[in-house]
Amino acid sequence: RKEVEQDPGPFNVPEGATVAFNCTYSNSASQSFFWYRQDCRKEPKLLMSVYSSGNEDGRFTAQLNRASQYISLLIRDSKLSDSATYLCVVNPIAHMFSGGYNKLIFGAGTRLAVHP
Amino acid sequence: GAVVSQHPSRVICKSGTSVKIECRSLDFQATTMFWYRQFPKQSLMLMATSNEGSKATYEQGVEKDKFLINHASLTLSTLTVTSAHPEDSSFYICSARVGTSGVLGSYEQYFGPGTRLTVT
Repeated sequence: RKEVEQDPGPFNVPEGATVAFNCTYSNSASQSFFWYRQDCRKEPKLLMSVYSSGNEDGRFTAQLNRASQYISLLIRDSKLSDSATYLCVVNPIAHMFSGGYNKLIFGAGTRLAVHP
Repeated sequence: GAVVSQHPSRVICKSGTSVKIECRSLDFQATTMFWYRQFPKQSLMLMATSNEGSKATYEQGVEKDKFLINHASLTLSTLTVTSAHPEDSSFYICSARVGTSGVLGSYEQYFGPGTRLTVT
């Protein structure tokens, strides 16, 4: 089983649609969660961190369900510029002193294509 | 957000040659930098973690003698692909960690723009 699993898509949606991405992770001790977006042939860019209480940033809402080891990203009122691959990212290890070794595990990404 | 640069952005080299890729944190000091590789339509795969002033920690399956990492300062890490072969052709991305430490600390990683390596 992969450490971080995502539906690869693609999700093809019209402008203005609401779209939701899901992600599951295998390590129940995981502590930090993020959504990144990656445009074609570019580096990933941090979209938002995901907090236990859920958090919202404009049209984007992230939710975390620790019991189900499930993370979601909701995009409302989709724009053409939202077309990208969305990467679910998990830090699987909790360190007492995080000056040590922390690494991120990336899902393979979900492709979103927003059309006029 | 924090700015990370990479150089070169694109390189084409012949099989058997070595290629050096530089990763710099421009407006902050990064004690830890990470090197990733991404093949088309696949996820980023962590190759190694680079800590300033110490040896890099390589992920399982990554040859340390082939992918030499040096983190000589708090703003610069280099990855050298030695004796490159066509199967090493990939998108190499570095990132630097920014954030707080401690049990409840969190951190975020900011990525360089990547280096597209093509080995002919």
